[in-house]
Amino acid sequence: EPEVTQTPSHQVTQMGQEVILRCVPISNHLYFYWYRQILGQKVEFLVSFYNNEISEKSEIFDDQFSVERPDGSNFTLKIRSTKLEDSAMYFCASRETGPGNTIYFGEGSWLTVV
Amino acid sequence: KQEVTQIPAALSVPEGENLVLNCSFTDSAIYNLQWFRQDPGKGLTSLLLIQSSQREQTSGRLNASLDKSSGRSTLYIAASQPGDSATYLCAGVSGNTPLVFGKGTRLSVIA
Repeated sequence: EPEVTQTPSHQVTQMGQEVILRCVPISNHLYFYWYRQILGQKVEFLVSFYNNEISEKSEIFDDQFSVERPDGSNFTLKIRSTKLEDSAMYFCASRETGPGNTIYFGEGSWLTVV
Repeated sequence: KQEVTQIPAALSVPEGENLVLNCSFTDSAIYNLQWFRQDPGKGLTSLLLIQSSQREQTSGRLNASLDKSSGRSTLYIAASQPGDSATYLCAGVSGNTPLVFGKGTRLSVIA
């Protein structure tokens, strides 16, 4: 069964360093998302991406964050200068077409900022 | 703004018991509702998606219902097994807004 794949599964980084989290969405999907989950808290929406541009973003997704679809398969989340509070599990997700369809999530990338 | 609440936060049942997990949402203009399973430190596995025009969906031992008028969804698990132990999350979509998640119910099924 097709799945969303994410790399790395776990990354430890120094505060202030740049981090890039990578995702390969399901191949025929058109909508892409990043969510995050701080330990013990709710899964929170960060950003949605459609037709090569951001369609929606949350208050969390400030200037330190950016997303890119550099080629036909990858979808990346960049954090320019990490803070301690960026430590979380980051989930990539994708959906085939409109809001009536199932959203599929990857296994997540666990980011620890020290 | 959609808010999703799940009660109880944790539940422990003996193996074989039927159980119900509850989810409530504030925006009755919900487009669809999705139930997920999350194992510790793992990703989100989609279990069931219920469209706003549907009242329930079934997959194996799982049955999910949606009542828009009362702002509630339930996930029914029949004949629970230890392998069902996980956190169950519900999440709703309203219009073009992205999935909004509840905090989840942590289920333990004791053999």
